[in-house]
Amino acid sequence: DQQVKQNSPSLSVQEGRISILNCDYTNSMFDYFLWYKKYPAEGPTFLISISSIKDKNEDGRFTVFLNKSAKHLSLHIVPSQPGDSAVYFCAASAREYGNKLVFGAGTILRVKS
Amino acid sequence: KAGVTQTPRYLIKTRGQQVTLSCSPISGHRSVSWYQQTPGQGLQFLFEYFSETQRNKGNFPGRFSGRQFSNSRSEMNVSTLELGDSALYLCASSSTGNTEAFFGQGTRLTVV
Repeated sequence: DQQVKQNSPSLSVQEGRISILNCDYTNSMFDYFLWYKKYPAEGPTFLISISSIKDKNEDGRFTVFLNKSAKHLSLHIVPSQPGDSAVYFCAASAREYGNKLVFGAGTILRVKS
Repeated sequence: KAGVTQTPRYLIKTRGQQVTLSCSPISGHRSVSWYQQTPGQGLQFLFEYFSETQRNKGNFPGRFSGRQFSNSRSEMNVSTLELGDSALYLCASSSTGNTEAFFGQGTRLTVV
């Protein structure tokens, strides 16, 4: 069962504009959420995370929003840059599961210059 | 601070053989998790080791096993390799529960 879903396989955005990547989850036990950026044949690079006690976390150009009632989170990248082009994965964890991460299928982001 | 180191980066093995992959976590991190990435299944959790004990296990057959040493370095072993085991195997290092996990570059395993 897909407990973490990224329903958009790809997203194309113009340089300088906002990129919004979405993620939905079904397991109410998830209490920590992370976003990773990944290039082919490399390991994922950690971008930003958010605990379930918050609804927003910012780090530079990256902001993650969490809507617990809707079981939805989103990653905003402003402004988007060509170097942001990569696959973005949403991941979730629960205290009861230790450090086990459940990943979404990923969204390919293309930033056009 | 050195990152997560995985060796080797690439491996080619024959069906039926076994393979051992190695992971050195970030200094001070006691948790090591392993993931398999394939085009069809995405990133799937294999298992997690914390202080030399397996704390969590994913839905993989018993051919997949692992261990962790007292210095937190970890190895995973796959026995009786099948073609479907061809994948990118990723190791992630964490300090404690429910925190960021930092990944290594991965080991690309090809089974022929």
